[in-house]
Amino acid sequence: AQSVTQLGSHVSVSEGALVLLRCNYSSSVPPYLFWYVQYPNQGLQLLLKYTSAATLVKGINGFEAEFKKSETSFHLTKPSAHMSDAAEYFCAVIIQGGKLIFGQGTELSVKP
Amino acid sequence: GAGVSQSPSNKVTEKGKDVELRCDPISGHTALYWYRQSLGQGLEFLIYFQGNSAPDKSGLPSDRFSAERTGGSVSTLTIQRTQQEDSAVYLCASSRGADYTGELFFGEGSRLTVL
Repeated sequence: AQSVTQLGSHVSVSEGALVLLRCNYSSSVPPYLFWYVQYPNQGLQLLLKYTSAATLVKGINGFEAEFKKSETSFHLTKPSAHMSDAAEYFCAVIIQGGKLIFGQGTELSVKP
Repeated sequence: GAGVSQSPSNKVTEKGKDVELRCDPISGHTALYWYRQSLGQGLEFLIYFQGNSAPDKSGLPSDRFSAERTGGSVSTLTIQRTQQEDSAVYLCASSRGADYTGELFFGEGSRLTVL
């Protein structure tokens, strides 16, 4: 069955440091992959998506993710963390029938 | 409307009571989803409606949970005989349709507390 696994339920970085949030997928067919973000007391919003056009995907707020088929990964990165990046991040995959399945989420904390 | 609207935003109920949660999707969106978000449990898929197709109910945790979508628009999630473990935030999302690359738009959620 198609699914996603997020490594690390909580990640803490210093302001200005690299952000790396890990996501691995399992899929027997080329997947459609997404990262969503949930800021405190807000709804989820789309950060970026991979739909097989380009392996490096750029999203909002300086985030990007690279699809690596050989590693079955879709890790989210940002070169320099900002305090406003503190939020919960969810990796997700579309499975057969159009259903979107989420990973367990990673809470990102940014220290001054 | 401009976005996905959910009501009530907060609901406190006693164990054993029935509750109804409502979702108004974005106008014109044919796909509608319900998820449950609990502490430490991530986002759990509940049910998915796509146009006039039979809904995918594979995520409903028990027969106490049901959902309907009237006229292809508004959806109601009903939980009968609520239990304390039903306490969670229930999120609704909609998308344009059977476009597998499409973005889901989420509501702010309905926080349910079962005492």
